[in-house]
Amino acid sequence: GNSVTQMEGPVTLSEEAFLTINCTYTATGYPSLFWYVQYPGEGLQLLLKATKADDKGSNKGFEATYRKETTSFHLEKGSVQVSDSAVYFCALLDGGGNKLTFGTGTQLKVEL
Amino acid sequence: SQTIHQWPATLVQPVGSPLSLECTVEGTSNPNLYWYRQAAGRGLQLLFYSVGIGQISSEVPQNLSASRPQDRQFILSSKKLLLSDSGFYLCAWTPDRTYNSPLHFGNGTRLTVT
Repeated sequence: GNSVTQMEGPVTLSEEAFLTINCTYTATGYPSLFWYVQYPGEGLQLLLKATKADDKGSNKGFEATYRKETTSFHLEKGSVQVSDSAVYFCALLDGGGNKLTFGTGTQLKVEL
Repeated sequence: SQTIHQWPATLVQPVGSPLSLECTVEGTSNPNLYWYRQAAGRGLQLLFYSVGIGQISSEVPQNLSASRPQDRQFILSSKKLLLSDSGFYLCAWTPDRTYNSPLHFGNGTRLTVT
């Protein structure tokens, strides 16, 4: 079956530091890949997505590249802000399915 | 524009009591609907999804059930809650037959079973 593995948190960074949150996946076929963000007390929001190999999704300074050869979709941001503190979820949607498989989430804490 | 409503926002229920959480979507027709649970310190677990009225797929065996009495209404229920049912419940939707479309989530219901 499909699965998503994320690095465990919490990840604590100082403001303006570089962020990487690792995500690898296992899936049959050609899945679409997503990053969702959950701010405290809220539901999840889509952050970015990529639908085929070598696609780069980007939004709000965050980027992730769909790497089929390494089955990875790592999230990066060059300079984090305190407002980026949240839980980040990597997810995949298989090519013919109706459901999203999520990773366990990685909590990011950004301090001044 | 499409919106999703989920209520209540918080709920405290005793063990053994029934549960009913409701989710409605506006501004779209025949959406795919989902219930997820997020337990403390854990990721999102898909509980149920529905591709149409009366069509429910269960992902995890448990004492919860789901129903879709109308096209844009999705209900999560339990006859008798367990302590382990505590968590953050999220309803979500996607457009029908759009496999690359992301999920749109409601704001969630925080359920505490005491």
